[in-house]
Amino acid sequence: SQTIHQWPATLVQPVGSPLSLECTVEGTSNPNLYWYRQAAGRGLQLLFYSVGIGQISSEVPQNLSASRPQDRQFILSSKKLLLSDSGFYLCAWNSRATEAFFGQGTRLTVV
Amino acid sequence: TQLLEQSPQFLSIQEGENLTVYCNSSSVFSSLQWYRQEPGEGPVLLVTVVTGGEVKKLKRLTFQFGDARKDSSLHITAAQPGDTGLYLCAGSNDYKLSFGAGTTVTVRA
Repeated sequence: SQTIHQWPATLVQPVGSPLSLECTVEGTSNPNLYWYRQAAGRGLQLLFYSVGIGQISSEVPQNLSASRPQDRQFILSSKKLLLSDSGFYLCAWNSRATEAFFGQGTRLTVV
Repeated sequence: TQLLEQSPQFLSIQEGENLTVYCNSSSVFSSLQWYRQEPGEGPVLLVTVVTGGEVKKLKRLTFQFGDARKDSSLHITAAQPGDTGLYLCAGSNDYKLSFGAGTTVTVRA
């Protein structure tokens, strides 16, 4: 069966520090991968999606970047965090635009 | 701006009442999905609708996809406290999966 792992679950980082959130998928090949950010009680803002290794589509210009070094690994990064980067980050995968399966999320607080 | 508009933003009802949540867009989607999310967790799929005019029923939940595949509704009959949560619609086109802002539903016992 397919599983998705996202870590860490919570993170407190100072302004100006770097960020690296990792997401891996098991049990499937060539998944579509997504990074979303969610404000409290609100919808999901699509940040990046990837349909293959090294292929990244950015939806919102901002302080973040994404990379897909391996087929089932998706990384969200920042060189210098801003206060406005705080939020709940969710990684997800699907296959051919069908149901999306989500990780447990990372609660990021920038202080 | 949100590609998918959901209304209402908040909905609070008494147990046993019915409710409807709407999802509208100016774009046509190849499929539309409804998810339910609990606090601190990722969304979980409720249903996917693909065909214009399609109606799907899951126990007390009824989902409808508009004829033009731009809008959808979720209707819950005889709501229960366990239906409380954030309901999200998502539209899919060319691998891109975009979500609405969500409707927070609270069912009071």
